[in-house]
Amino acid sequence: GQNIDQPTEMTATEGAIVQINCTYQTSGFNGLFWYQQHAGEAPTFLSYNVLDGLEEKGRFSSFLSRSKGYSYLLLKELQMKDSASYLCAVSDFNKFYFGSGTKLNVKP
Amino acid sequence: GAVVSQHPSWVICKSGTSVKIECRSLDFQATTMFWYRQFPKQSLMLMATSNEGSKATYEQGVEKDKFLINHASLTLSTLTVTSAHPEDSSFYICSARPDGVPFFGPGTRLTVL
Repeated sequence: GQNIDQPTEMTATEGAIVQINCTYQTSGFNGLFWYQQHAGEAPTFLSYNVLDGLEEKGRFSSFLSRSKGYSYLLLKELQMKDSASYLCAVSDFNKFYFGSGTKLNVKP
Repeated sequence: GAVVSQHPSWVICKSGTSVKIECRSLDFQATTMFWYRQFPKQSLMLMATSNEGSKATYEQGVEKDKFLINHASLTLSTLTVTSAHPEDSSFYICSARPDGVPFFGPGTRLTVL
């Protein structure tokens, strides 16, 4: 089976840095993806990791440790518009499985 | 990134009727598309994998006779919710993976009265 865990909700302050963790246990693995989803909208792609290490993309960075089944999404210089749900998804070769999502609340 | 469209964006129907949702890849061809369902405050759940020219593959617990999938061309997949009931009210999202990265359509919000 597939098991992907994320914290349900987090709160951070505008301008700060926040780290959203994701742990996974899947029967197969060939990539971990992060998506942002605003309420009532479809997810939008943020980043993906195939190999261990850190991938940086502007204010967003994502880290992967395959041996630990662990990833995190790092958001820097938080803006109010970053308030959204962040979904961790694991690619099990032919299929994608999503975590339950982390709702991030950014406060002034 | 790739563009995936869905139609309609939202639909309200009476219980017992059927609803068809279209998913199109606009700037690429997709031999495979994926259909997800998302209930409020929950994550996306994969329903089925749509394959061009062959039968769809359904996830465990998803009734293939209730959720009919047709992938008639390399740019179009349709999901038909047959005999819809209020419990089928949900946000339905399709995706395709050109170059391995899933891109999602804007979603279709179905409300069954």
